[in-house]
Amino acid sequence: NAGVTQTPKFRVLKTGQSMTLLCAQDMNHEYMYWYRQDPGMGLRLIHYSVGEGTTAKGEVPDGYNVSRLKKQNFLLGLESAAPSQTSVYFCASSYSTLAVLQETQYFGPGTRLLVL
Amino acid sequence: AQSVAQPEDQVNVAEGNPLTVKCTYSVSGNPYLFWYVQYPNRGLQFLLKYITGDNLVKGSYGFEAEFNKSQTSFHLKKPSALVSDSALYFCAVRDRNYGQNFVFGPGTRLSVLP
Repeated sequence: NAGVTQTPKFRVLKTGQSMTLLCAQDMNHEYMYWYRQDPGMGLRLIHYSVGEGTTAKGEVPDGYNVSRLKKQNFLLGLESAAPSQTSVYFCASSYSTLAVLQETQYFGPGTRLLVL
Repeated sequence: AQSVAQPEDQVNVAEGNPLTVKCTYSVSGNPYLFWYVQYPNRGLQFLLKYITGDNLVKGSYGFEAEFNKSQTSFHLKKPSALVSDSALYFCAVRDRNYGQNFVFGPGTRLSVLP
């Protein structure tokens, strides 16, 4: 049981390049999330998904797109990377229950992205 | 709007002494409150949460937190700190009426000195 995994672990991009970050979970969770972590700002929600085929915007969605074609995978895309997107990106997942807001989120190890 | 404040960027404590990491929050409704810990180059790990009921919540690794509604606080505590507790600690809140957004505080770096 690997939990939540993320690939790649580290990436360097030039401004304007595109890339996709992959998140995978093997806990059969319905809900998945993408966050970015910047110094002194905690984690901020980019996008999330409440189930296969559905996505929704979080607090800071601009410049990112997501897809949830399979329940276990949640992809985060940067179509045209900017230096402001230099950050550490975390994926998380959680169960879907009647009390979903009470549910703990399980986090991946993170992807460190540097945009030059 | 929801918000979380962690007033201390850094907390230093000697091993064996009690530790407190402070958290205050602001929500429009009733909150769900969480504490997570992050070790270097790792993702966040869940410590404990307050949903309802007893204001004192016990969690992993001997940590506990006290929910204080009048002071809108949820401070993390441990009676006797270990060097291995040194990490970055995040408080997070969800407003029961606000949906999926999970708001994190900026984090507090705890250093336990031997």
